Amino acid sequence: NAGVTQTPKFQVLKTGQSMTLQCAQDMNHEYMSWYRQDPGMGLRLIHYSVGAGITDQGEVPNGYNVSRSTTEDFPLRLLSAAPSQTSVYFCASRTIAGRSTDTQYFGPGTRLTVL
Amino acid sequence: AQSVTQLGSHVSVSEGALVLLRCNYSSSVPPYLFWYVQYPNQGLQLLLKYTSAATLVKGINGFEAEFKKSETSFHLTKPSAHMSDAAEYFCAVSDRGSGGSNYKLTFGKGTLLTVNP
Repeated sequence: NAGVTQTPKFQVLKTGQSMTLQCAQDMNHEYMSWYRQDPGMGLRLIHYSVGAGITDQGEVPNGYNVSRSTTEDFPLRLLSAAPSQTSVYFCASRTIAGRSTDTQYFGPGTRLTVL
Repeated sequence: AQSVTQLGSHVSVSEGALVLLRCNYSSSVPPYLFWYVQYPNQGLQLLLKYTSAATLVKGINGFEAEFKKSETSFHLTKPSAHMSDAAEYFCAVSDRGSGGSNYKLTFGKGTLLTVNP
């Protein structure tokens, strides 16, 4: 049971380049989400999904796309990277079959630098 | 919308001293409340969570938090700090009930805890 995995761990992009951050979980969790962490800002929600084929926007969705074709995977796409997207990105998942207090499990993060 | 305020972006204590990290939420209905810890260059780990069953919640590593509705607070404490407690701590809230928007976590900006020998 690997939990929530994220690849890559580190990435450097040039302005205008595109890339996909990968997130996978092996706990059969329905709910998955992406956060970005910036110094002094805490974690802010980018996009989330409550199941395959269902996604919605969070607090800071601009510049990011997501899709959910399987329960296990929830990739985050940057279509045209900007320096403002330099951040640490975390993926998280949880079950929604139980109570709302069930724990969200976080991946180890992807540190992205856009030059 | 939910919001969380963590008072003090940086708290410094001596080893063996009391740790107190403050968290206040803004909601007319008590939400679900969480404390997460992040060690350097790592992801977030759940310390404890408030489920509305008991107002004093015990977590891992000797931490506990008390939910006070009258003060809209959920402060994190530990009686005696250890060097290994040095990390960043985040308070988070989510709404009660089902539905995608209720599963979202809203985080405070974090408090960096430094433990001095």
